[in-house]
Amino acid sequence: QKEVEQDPGPLSVPEGAIVSLNCTYSNSAFQYFMWYRQYSRKGPELLMYTYSSGNKEDGRFTAQVDKSSKYISLFIRDSQPSDSATYLCAMSETPAGGTSYGKLTFGQGTILTVHP
Amino acid sequence: GAGVSQTPSNKVTEKGKYVELRCDPISGHTALYWYRQSLGQGPEFLIYFQGTGAADDSGLPNDRFFAVRPEGSVSTLKIQRTERGDSAVYLCASSPGGDPYEQYFGPGTRLTVT
Repeated sequence: QKEVEQDPGPLSVPEGAIVSLNCTYSNSAFQYFMWYRQYSRKGPELLMYTYSSGNKEDGRFTAQVDKSSKYISLFIRDSQPSDSATYLCAMSETPAGGTSYGKLTFGQGTILTVHP
Repeated sequence: GAGVSQTPSNKVTEKGKYVELRCDPISGHTALYWYRQSLGQGPEFLIYFQGTGAADDSGLPNDRFFAVRPEGSVSTLKIQRTERGDSAVYLCASSPGGDPYEQYFGPGTRLTVT
């Protein structure tokens, strides 16, 4: 079983829809939770990050972390065709001896298409 | 400013050959990471440098893989005796100080082993 599980989709929604993307994880040492967006043949770009549990909002994007359930979500409101991409969740532990800090463990990625 | 750059963008090689992949991080970034992304999968961690030293190389799959960062800036990922299973996109990321939420990724090198 992988440390981070993410439904690969694909997910297809109409423009303006609310999109919900999710990941589950098994490593209770994860404390940093990131969402990346990756366009075809490009590197991932960071959308949002959250430390520990809670919610974080940035424009049309909201990230939620529920550590008790080991479950994280990304919501996209008023989705646009330009949001069409692969969305990757990623996680990292806090520094414990320093060597693992910064190492990201990614989910498989969810392919999202927003059609006009 | 300039982002992370990787060269070459594409590399096709024959099974058994040696390849080198280069990463130029953002100027001033002390931390550098290599990841490998297979088709339809998320990136998998390979190795992490803080300065010139490899702080964590636990993701390197076997001793055919090696990476260096001799002057604390440019890094080279070296793969010996390539196998078809090494075909993937190799991504490099850099970070100002190693915080997990500050990694900036390059476009990757697409390696195909025939």
